[in-house]
Amino acid sequence: SQQGEEDPQALSIQEGENATMNCSYKTSINNLQWYRQNSGRGLVHLILIRSNEREKHSGRLRVTLDTSKKSSSLLITASRAADTASYFCAGGTSYGKLTFGQGTILTVHP
Amino acid sequence: GAVVSQHPSRVICKSGTSVKIECRSLDFQATTMFWYRQFPKQSLMLMATSNEGSKATYEQGVEKDKFLINHASLTLSTLTVTSAHPEDSSFYICSATGGATLGTDTQYFGPGTRLTVL
Repeated sequence: SQQGEEDPQALSIQEGENATMNCSYKTSINNLQWYRQNSGRGLVHLILIRSNEREKHSGRLRVTLDTSKKSSSLLITASRAADTASYFCAGGTSYGKLTFGQGTILTVHP
Repeated sequence: GAVVSQHPSRVICKSGTSVKIECRSLDFQATTMFWYRQFPKQSLMLMATSNEGSKATYEQGVEKDKFLINHASLTLSTLTVTSAHPEDSSFYICSATGGATLGTDTQYFGPGTRLTVL
C-alpha cells in the first residue's frame, strides 16, 4: 500500500522560483526520504531525515518533518530547469523497507 | 559509488513467455535487494524484499509463483516474470541497500526495466 498523499500532484514554476512539495504518511516511520525520478529512469536519493529530526538541509534542498502531523515537506530553492522531474517521499522502517507516496511532478520553465 | 545496474533496460516478449531481469550492485555488496513495479505516472509499488541466500518476502497480493526472485549472491538478484501476460507490462525497478558498509536506510536504485508483453 502507498504511504500516503503528496501534494501538489503537479507543480509548474519558473526558473529561479522556489518549489515546495508536501507529503503525508500513515504508518510509523524510522525515517522519511525524498527521491527524484527523471522520466523513464530509476530513482535518485536526495535526502533522508530521521524521525527524531525536524529539519535538514542539503545544498538547495530543505526538508522538514512533523511527526505529530505525520507530514513532511521538501523545499527546492532557486529552481533550475534541470530540476524538472517527479519527486517522491518514502517512509522508511528500521529494517530498510520503504513505502512511497504518490509523487509530485515538478516542471521548471526556463 | 553505490551503483546499481539492471539488465535488460527494455524487453518486449510474447504472451506466455518468461522474462528474466537482472539487478546488480556494481561497487558494493548488497545485503538486501528490493523489487518494485511502477505503472505509468504512478508511484512505486514494492513487490518483494530479498536477502542473499534466503527466500524472498513478497508483499500482499504479489504472486510468488508468478514473480520468481533469486538472490544468489551479494551482488546479484534476478526477477523472473513467468508466463507473462499483457497486464504484466510495466516498469520494474530494483534497489539495494549496502548493509554494514553503506547502511540499511538508503536504497540505491537501478535504472529500471521496461517490460512490454504483446
